[in-house]
Amino acid sequence: AQKVTQAQTEISVVEKEDVTLDCVYETRDTTYYLFWYKQPPSGELVFLIRRNSFDEQNEISGRYSWNFQKSTSSFNFTITASQVVDSAVYFCALPSSFNDYKLSFGAGTTVTVRA
Amino acid sequence: GAGVSQSPRYKVAKRGQDVALRCDPISGHVSLFWYQQALGQGPEFLTYFQNEAQLDKSGLPSDRFFAERPEGSVSTLKIQRTQQEDSAVYLCASSPGTTPSYEQYFGPGTRLTVT
Repeated sequence: AQKVTQAQTEISVVEKEDVTLDCVYETRDTTYYLFWYKQPPSGELVFLIRRNSFDEQNEISGRYSWNFQKSTSSFNFTITASQVVDSAVYFCALPSSFNDYKLSFGAGTTVTVRA
Repeated sequence: GAGVSQSPRYKVAKRGQDVALRCDPISGHVSLFWYQQALGQGPEFLTYFQNEAQLDKSGLPSDRFFAERPEGSVSTLKIQRTQQEDSAVYLCASSPGTTPSYEQYFGPGTRLTVT
């Protein structure tokens, strides 16, 4: 079965520090998608990125970057120069199978950025 | 444009009461999902609609849970004879497509507290 593990429960940093969130997944599929979502205190999950397993290139979007390592089944997320507005719960997710729409989420990592 | 909206945002029910939670997806989105999120956990899949058809209800925890989307737009999740273990945030998401390649757009959720 598909499984997503986010081992870090909480991370607290001071503003401008970098923070890396770990995501390790298990899948029986050879082709799959991976997602990261952000859940701020308002509660709404905000889509951050989708990655196809074919594409192992790292991706950067502003202060966000993602490191996809298929060999170690990891899809880690780094926030560079963190800001208070980055405080949220971050979830890594994986569809139940390549053709399935059901997302399996990790337990989430709570990031607190202190001014 | 308008995102996914859910109402009510908060609901307190006495044990044994029936509740109805509403989801207004993004206009034109074919797919609609319901997830249940317990405190400190990631969302867990409940059910999936493609237009008005409920294609997957494998995540519904018991026959007290019922969902409908009669005209392929607004959806209602109904919980009969609520129990304390039903206390959670219920998230609705919609997607323009029917495959995992499309991201899901989430609403703010309804926080249900059963007393």
